[in-house]
Amino acid sequence: QQPVQSPQAVILREGEDAVINCSSSKALYSVHWYRQKHGEAPVFLMILLKGGEQKGHEKISASFNEKKQQSSLYLTASQLSYSGTYFCGTDPNTNAGKSTFGDGTTLTVKP
Amino acid sequence: NAGVTQTPKFQVLKTGQSMTLQCAQDMNHNSMYWYRQDPGMGLRLIYYSASEGTTDKGEVPNGYNVSRLNKREFSLRLESAAPSQTSVYFCASSNRATGANVLTFGAGSRLTVL
Repeated sequence: QQPVQSPQAVILREGEDAVINCSSSKALYSVHWYRQKHGEAPVFLMILLKGGEQKGHEKISASFNEKKQQSSLYLTASQLSYSGTYFCGTDPNTNAGKSTFGDGTTLTVKP
Repeated sequence: NAGVTQTPKFQVLKTGQSMTLQCAQDMNHNSMYWYRQDPGMGLRLIYYSASEGTTDKGEVPNGYNVSRLNKREFSLRLESAAPSQTSVYFCASSNRATGANVLTFGAGSRLTVL
C-alpha cells in the first residue's frame, strides 16, 4: 500500500514556506524524502527513523509522527532551486526492503 | 565515483520484442532495486534484491524478470514487451545493513514500446 501525499501541487513565490505531507495506512519504521528535477533521477534529501529525531537540511526539515504514520516536509524561505517533485518513501520495517513511494508533490517556486 | 549506472538511456521497442536493462553500482551496496515511473506518477517497485543471490517481487512484477549477477550488477529483462511497459525505469541501490534504507538512483532508462 503506497503512502498518500498532499497536496499534489504547490506554487510559491521565492521566500515563501511550504509543507508537504505523507501518510500511510501501515505502521512505519522509516520515512525518506527525495526531490526529483524534471528529466532527472530522484535525489535523497533525508530519512526519519522510528524513534528518531526531527531532521533538518539547510532550510528543509521534516518530522515523523509514528503514532499517526505521518511525515511532513517543511521548506522555509523557498528558493528557485527548490522547484521539483518531492516524493516520500516508506518502509514498514527495517528488513522489508520494499520501499514504496507516494505519487509526489510538484513544487514550483517563482521569482 | 560513478554511483549507479544504467544502460541504455533510451530504447524503442516494437510489441513482442525482448530486451534487458543493465544496472551496476560501485558503492558496495548489498541491496538493489528496479522501479518504473509513469508520467506524472510516483515510483513503483518492480523487483528488488536484498543481497547477492536473492530476488523478490515488488508491487508490479508481471512481465519482467531480474537477475542479480553479482553484488554490483542487477539486470531487468522484458521477455515480450507491451505498450503498457512504456515508462522510465530507475535502478537503485542501498546499504540496508545500516538500518536506514536510503536509495541512490541511477539516471534512468526511458523505454518506449510501439
